[in-house]
Amino acid sequence: AQSVTQPDIHITVSEGASLELRCNYSYGATPYLFWYVQSPGQGLQLLLKYFSGDTLVQGIKGFEAEFKRSQSSFNLRKPSVHWSDAAEYFCAVGGLNQGGKLIFGQGTELSVKP
Amino acid sequence: ETGVTQSPTHLIKTRGQQVTLRCSSQSGHNTVSWYQQALGQGPQFIFQYYREEENGRGNFPPRFSGLQFPNYSSELNVNALELDDSALYLCASSSGQGLNQPQHFGDGTRLSIL
Repeated sequence: AQSVTQPDIHITVSEGASLELRCNYSYGATPYLFWYVQSPGQGLQLLLKYFSGDTLVQGIKGFEAEFKRSQSSFNLRKPSVHWSDAAEYFCAVGGLNQGGKLIFGQGTELSVKP
Repeated sequence: ETGVTQSPTHLIKTRGQQVTLRCSSQSGHNTVSWYQQALGQGPQFIFQYYREEENGRGNFPPRFSGLQFPNYSSELNVNALELDDSALYLCASSSGQGLNQPQHFGDGTRLSIL
């Protein structure tokens, strides 16, 4: 079955601290992987995506993610968190010839302490 | 560049009624995808329209239907509303049907069923 698991429902970090949000996927074909961020009352904004090639991908707002095929993981990282990063983060997986279908995880809510 | 716009922002309906949600795609985009996001959950793919044809469908019953118009705007119609249909409905547009074309999301329509 195709699925995405985000094991952490809620994470709190201090401003300036590093961040890692976990994502594990189950997908039968070559996966396309995405991270989106959602602020309250708003839609989703794409942070970064992985299709192929270099397994470390850089995104907007200083985020990066690393694809590890052996672990079926695509964890999101940021070296120094800002208060404005507080939001809900979603990992998603899709594939070629899947009609644009994205499978999302349940999300991780990030809180930032001053 | 105008982004993805959805209307209305909020909507309250009662069980058994029908509803139509609207989405204007971003300029230059010919593909629209619809997602349902229940409270505390990640978005679930409903269907995608590419050049006015349904291009893929998720696990939703036939009472969820859609249209795409020649200007690539789209409608989501839901008949015989049920309490479980209460959710945020997100529209995303892209410049092609594959996931290599990033999906740009609107801010959604919040539908409440009483």
